Amino acid sequence: QQQVKQSPQSLIVQKGGISIINCAYENTAFDYFPWYQQFPGKGPALLIAIRPDVSEKKEGRFTISFNKSAKQFSLHIMDSQPGDSATYFCAASKGGGSQGNLIFGKGTKLSVKP
Amino acid sequence: NAGVTQTPKFQVLKTGQSMTLQCAQDMNHNSMYWYRQDPGMGLRLIYYSASEGTTDKGEVPNGYNVSRLNKREFSLRLESAAPSQTSVYFCASRGFRGRETQYFGPGTRLLVL
Repeated sequence: QQQVKQSPQSLIVQKGGISIINCAYENTAFDYFPWYQQFPGKGPALLIAIRPDVSEKKEGRFTISFNKSAKQFSLHIMDSQPGDSATYFCAASKGGGSQGNLIFGKGTKLSVKP
Repeated sequence: NAGVTQTPKFQVLKTGQSMTLQCAQDMNHNSMYWYRQDPGMGLRLIYYSASEGTTDKGEVPNGYNVSRLNKREFSLRLESAAPSQTSVYFCASRGFRGRETQYFGPGTRLLVL
């Protein structure tokens, strides 16, 4: 049972455009929603994260939008740059301890064309 | 401060061979994880260790064993490798940057022929 569904699988955006990646979750107990960025040949690294008590979080060109009622959250990359080309994973977790284990989406490969 | 390190970077095995993937972290984290990454499948948890001396199964544990040697080191063993275990393996440790941040190693690319 896939608890975090991510779309699209791949995305091509022109330089300067907006990249949008969407995720939906099923378990209402999830209370932490991070996004990880992975460059080719590297391990994933935390990009930005949000808790469900806020509807939006912005860090530079990266914004998470969160819709608790729809059980959806999305990553927006403004003014996308070729250096943003990477695979992006959304994830979710609940509580702490072993329950804090992350459930990952299947990933979105983003290509930003110059 | 090297973060999370993994060895080897790349390995080719024949079906039935065994090997151990090594992972170490220098961030004094309690929790450590092993994931496998396959195209279109995302990151799937194999085993995790919430603290030194404890290990638990994740989503895809079959064919693997783990050892939490001490607080720093967490190894993954394939006793009898199968082609279905061809994958990229990532080790991670969990610390606190805001909440629940996992720090990943650079990965081990494994090919089983």
